[in-house]
Amino acid sequence: EVQLVQSGAEVKKTGESLKISCKGSGYRFTTYWIGWVRQTPGKGLEWMGIIYPGDSDARYSPSFQGQVTLSVDKSTSTAFLQWSNLQASDTAIYYCATTRIVVLNNVVAATSFDIWGQGTMVTVSS
Amino acid sequence: EIVLTQSPGTLSLSPGERATLSCRASESVRSNYLAWYQQKSGQAPRLLISGASSRATGIPDRFSGSGSATDFTLTISTLEVEDSAVYYCQQYGSSPLTFGGGTKVEI
Repeated sequence: EVQLVQSGAEVKKTGESLKISCKGSGYRFTTYWIGWVRQTPGKGLEWMGIIYPGDSDARYSPSFQGQVTLSVDKSTSTAFLQWSNLQASDTAIYYCATTRIVVLNNVVAATSFDIWGQGTMVTVSS
Repeated sequence: EIVLTQSPGTLSLSPGERATLSCRASESVRSNYLAWYQQKSGQAPRLLISGASSRATGIPDRFSGSGSATDFTLTISTLEVEDSAVYYCQQYGSSPLTFGGGTKVEI
């Protein structure tokens, strides 16, 4: 069974750094790209970016470019989402999910998100 | 970016009834690259439909998707109590991919 298991809830202060994880199991980790999605009550679901575990090729939504960094560790089948300078506006639930890609006007983009992790709640306060 | 508008905001129905959820795009969705998700309270979203009409693995056939261009529909033919959830559409025909605001189905 394909499964993604995410790291636990985090409570941080503004300005701190954070790295959350998403571990894949039940499949060859390089078969699918991993996407990240943010969910907030105000903005709903937002696509953040995708990364290919095979070569760490990462593509970001313009809204999140420069704000977060995606990475993977192939040896442990784990993907990561990290921040270097958390803001209160980063308070949200973050989901990882498997996805495939499509090339649109020479731009690599995610397709649907097939298998989701359980989510990681991140709370940032001053 | 493509804006997806879902309606109605909330749908209150009884078990056995039919639910029709709408997702309207601000511009045509290329190749009908549209997906639907179900999110129950406290859970992650679950993929129901991709490519506007293809059910994901393990999804009951009471869920069906239809539509093209700017107008898409998710139909739940015979509602069950377990179908209470928020349903989201998502387009991946244009980057950045975007999600609709959701329709809450109460049973």
